[in-house]
Amino acid sequence: EAGVAQSPRYKIIEKRQSVAFWCNPISGHATLYWYQQILGQGPKLLIQFQNNGVVDDSQLPKDRFSAERLKGVDSTLKIQPAKLEDSAVYLCASRESSTWGGYTFGSGTRLTVV
Amino acid sequence: GENVEQHPSTLSVQEGDSAVIKCTYSDSASNYFPWYKQELGKRPQLIIDIRSNVGEKKDQRIAVTLNKTAKHFSLHITETQPEDSAVYFCAASRETSYDKVIFGPGTSLSVIP
Repeated sequence: EAGVAQSPRYKIIEKRQSVAFWCNPISGHATLYWYQQILGQGPKLLIQFQNNGVVDDSQLPKDRFSAERLKGVDSTLKIQPAKLEDSAVYLCASRESSTWGGYTFGSGTRLTVV
Repeated sequence: GENVEQHPSTLSVQEGDSAVIKCTYSDSASNYFPWYKQELGKRPQLIIDIRSNVGEKKDQRIAVTLNKTAKHFSLHITETQPEDSAVYFCAASRETSYDKVIFGPGTSLSVIP
């Protein structure tokens, strides 16, 4: 089975610019997560989708971050405007709703804000 | 909110020795505890997990133990090899359809040949 696909792999932008990341989960996986991993830290959940609905976005800085999963399949995470502290790896993960267990991460997008 | 603590933050062991990483969690309703291994520049990968209905689980050289009363769990790696060098994250969640996994801050393990 294909894994979780993410693009781009790397992105460098200047502060105050905008950026978007894309994620295509494993086929059939209804639950999709976006995590932010700052260097030297554990992944921190930003937002969780169940199909095309938001389950948890309590940690998403909504003044600058937004995410959508319009058709319940792939998802986009956007930052506008970016700050220096947004430099991190953005990881997407997915799992089936009906199965328990750890989920599969994508390779991530490494964002550097200069 | 939910919180997962992890110790030590860094760990160096000689090849062949054992390594132990310990975690505590705050949400008493957590019942699923996965461990992830992240090599430099790569994605976190699930290496083992344990559910609250068991106290210990083994898979070759790795084992996890869980003490629900004390709300702590541990990862044990025996006969360490250089390829075990990585960052290890413990995590906790309630195993429901909608729940997320909360990660610890990570332990950087170095196995010295």
